[in-house]
Amino acid sequence: AQSVTQLGSHVSVSEGALVLLRCNYSSSVPPYLFWYVQYPNQGLQLLLKYTSAATLVKGINGFEAEFKKSETSFHLTKPSAHMSDAAEYFCAVTDSGGSQGNLIFGKGTKLSVKP
Amino acid sequence: KAGVTQTPRYLIKTRGQQVTLSCSPISGHRSVSWYQQTPGQGLQFLFEYFSETQRNKGNFPGRFSGRQFSNSRSEMNVSTLELGDSALYLCASSPRDRRFEQYFGPGTRLTVT
Repeated sequence: AQSVTQLGSHVSVSEGALVLLRCNYSSSVPPYLFWYVQYPNQGLQLLLKYTSAATLVKGINGFEAEFKKSETSFHLTKPSAHMSDAAEYFCAVTDSGGSQGNLIFGKGTKLSVKP
Repeated sequence: KAGVTQTPRYLIKTRGQQVTLSCSPISGHRSVSWYQQTPGQGLQFLFEYFSETQRNKGNFPGRFSGRQFSNSRSEMNVSTLELGDSALYLCASSPRDRRFEQYFGPGTRLTVT
């Protein structure tokens, strides 16, 4: 069964610093991969997705992620953090190969941005 | 387009009661999924409906059920509430050709006392 691991339940960065949020999945069959963001008292918002096209995926708000099959990873990065990036970020993968099954979410990483 | 709406936003129920939550998807979206979010377990998939049919189901007891109407609106029902059912229940809709691009509602916060 597919599983997804997000390393670090809390990450703190200074404003202007690099943001790196880690996500690893378990299956050898490349799934579809997603990053979602959740602001306080709101639902989740799709940041970006990988569906077997380009391995470097650009999303909204300056975020991007790189799919690395050999490392079964899909880490989320942003070159320069902004205060408005403070939120909880969730990595999600399809639980079967490709477009089948349902989404499995990681436990989430709460990002804090210090002024 | 209006986003996904969920009603009610907050609900307090007593153990043993039942509850019905409602979700209206984005216009044109025919797929609706439900998730339970708790601090301990994170986001867990409950079920997915497409064109009034349950397409997929997560690993939850039979007390959790759902349905979808012809206008794609969906409801989920939890019977015989337990304290552990306290959670944020999130509904998400997606377009037919991009099933996993899910657009989430703000959720219903259920507290069971």
